[in-house]
Amino acid sequence: ETGVTQTPRHLVMGMTNKKSLKCEQHLGHNAMYWYKQSAKKPLELMFVYSLEERVENNSVPSRFSPECPNSSHLFLHLHTLQPEDSALYLCASSHLDSKTIYFGEGSWLTVV
Amino acid sequence: AQSVTQPDIHITVSEGASLELRCNYSYGATPYLFWYVQSPGQGLQLLLKYFSGDTLVQGIKGFEAEFKRSQSSFNLRKPSVHWSDAAEYFCAVAPDDYKLSFGAGTTVTVRA
Repeated sequence: ETGVTQTPRHLVMGMTNKKSLKCEQHLGHNAMYWYKQSAKKPLELMFVYSLEERVENNSVPSRFSPECPNSSHLFLHLHTLQPEDSALYLCASSHLDSKTIYFGEGSWLTVV
Repeated sequence: AQSVTQPDIHITVSEGASLELRCNYSYGATPYLFWYVQSPGQGLQLLLKYFSGDTLVQGIKGFEAEFKRSQSSFNLRKPSVHWSDAAEYFCAVAPDDYKLSFGAGTTVTVRA
């Protein structure tokens, strides 16, 4: 069991659906991240939130919309996704002054 | 821009044998260095990290890694592999902030 919890663990959605991924960290961290892990590709940093403000958006399509209501929670809102968006989405957190990032177990997303 | 290379895509090792996973990075200064492990269907777990000081770093699960500045390497080792070590291993670097860059990963198979 990790200090970063992601729900749901598995999600299947159609291209016209709207869904959300949720992440909660219990480590007292003040920075949170979304990463995408696709088959045969290195992990890609998508978004970074520091003290609840977005500080990084790595050219992610607008069909992915992050939300960080407080330092413990992070959401990734999904709408009109494409099949190539099927991947493992990993949430992570850290202290701002630390370079050490802790990951959740991921949410497997399949877009049909 | 920094990059991380894991030259071995897949390694097969016998249970009880030693294991070494290679990692090379490209960066002008010494970055912060990490090794993570990912078991099937799981998120990433931090094995160990190097920030400064002693170049031989001990981690969890009996793993260690050695930083060699002259070779820009941070290889991961374990003297005696257990079947539960079968997983994917990722080397990651952060130059001076929170932006981790990951290698493509090395899959380790353990045979009885």
